[in-house]
Amino acid sequence: GAGVSQTPSNKVTEKGKYVELRCDPISGHTALYWYRQSLGQGPEFLIYFQGTGAADDSGLPNDRFFAVRPEGSVSTLKIQRTERGDSAVYLCASSQKPVLPNTGELFFGEGSRLTVL
Amino acid sequence: KNEVEQSPQNLTAQEGEFITINCSYSVGISALHWLQQHPGGGIVSLFMLSSGKKKHGRLIATINIQEKHSSLHITASHPRDSAVYICAVVVGTETSGSRLTFGEGTQLTVNP
Repeated sequence: GAGVSQTPSNKVTEKGKYVELRCDPISGHTALYWYRQSLGQGPEFLIYFQGTGAADDSGLPNDRFFAVRPEGSVSTLKIQRTERGDSAVYLCASSQKPVLPNTGELFFGEGSRLTVL
Repeated sequence: KNEVEQSPQNLTAQEGEFITINCSYSVGISALHWLQQHPGGGIVSLFMLSSGKKKHGRLIATINIQEKHSSLHITASHPRDSAVYICAVVVGTETSGSRLTFGEGTQLTVNP
């Protein structure tokens, strides 16, 4: 497809389980962002990739969260030992360039809704 | 205090009314986005601003860098404009990384 694709769209898991969320950005977009949106809140930054490297991972809440982008395209957000508080919509966005004035527009995926029981 | 604050949090209007949503921020930014989020979570970027004013159809966005304030205006509002409107600022530089810091959004409902 032409847009940012996220899978799964919905994931229900039990507390303590391991979860992987996948983001397939628009082809050729070098910048990729993960955000987390809790119910009734605005999205919160998690991590930013420029190419294969995590240029800014300061938003990851703790060491249970990890993200990779090994080939500079698809990214996977990994959550270990899930907790109920991890329940949220996880949004991925990509851009042809870092989001700065007069550079690439930002495109969002539909999000992956994670529910931890 | 959040770095990005929006007002109002909720807004109900009648079809045809002129609508203004405000955004104030407290950090240095490179640019500011206005985003639209429909039920189900999909987010669409409406505008990216670093100065002045932009217009697209019935939507107008302005930014005052000195006052750290931006507004989104919708003229001749329509029920299909009902959505959450989110202000997000770009923090960082190309070398140090770049990310968006989001406001909590304004839920707009336009009644026919």
